[in-house]
Amino acid sequence: GQGVEQPDNLMSVEGTFARVNCTYSTSGFNGLSWYQQREGHVPVFLSYVVLDGLKDSGHFSTFLSRSNGYSYLLLTELQIKDSASYLCAVDMGYKLTFGTGTSLLVDP
Amino acid sequence: DAGVTQTPRHEVAEKGQTIILKCEPVSGHNDLFWYRQTKIQGLELLSYFRSKSLMEDGGAFKDRFKAEMLNSSFSTLKIQPTEPKDSAVYLCASSRDRVNERLFFGHGTKLSVL
Repeated sequence: GQGVEQPDNLMSVEGTFARVNCTYSTSGFNGLSWYQQREGHVPVFLSYVVLDGLKDSGHFSTFLSRSNGYSYLLLTELQIKDSASYLCAVDMGYKLTFGTGTSLLVDP
Repeated sequence: DAGVTQTPRHEVAEKGQTIILKCEPVSGHNDLFWYRQTKIQGLELLSYFRSKSLMEDGGAFKDRFKAEMLNSSFSTLKIQPTEPKDSAVYLCASSRDRVNERLFFGHGTKLSVL
């Protein structure tokens, strides 16, 4: 996605945690969303953040630093079924721009 | 549960053909988006409507891609003429408003252009 960058792949182990990073151009930033997309399925909304800091939502938590153009999605107590692509989407006014997604593989 | 409905689920076209994809957003949603998804490019915005008004026409996609929203419950995406590089999954999504940006996606139309 133009101006929204995510690493392609990430591996972790069942029962531990994984952090999915997203960096973006700060110009015109209004907010940022995270989506989960399983293989063969469409994206499903997870979380929306607009304020700086950590937003704890249990299994999924999100962090945002507006001034640094950085966010991450933190998954704790990983399960095999968390294996999926995680997309961040940045609202830059009239335009919701998606990153290309990070493919998370959770090993047993 | 009336989510976002897209038809057809699959479309096969010859190069140069005109195809029309259809989308019915969630009832009551004001925003409608058309995206194209490929493994290499990810999700690319084609069009964005707010209350039936075209807000974003996708820049580089303007010449052969045309989205319309004739009423609040129906939108079409026309590709004319199709090219093999248009092979992708076309996703329609809607949201109630832009405050929380929660998009609901349809199942998509998988387009193959030969």
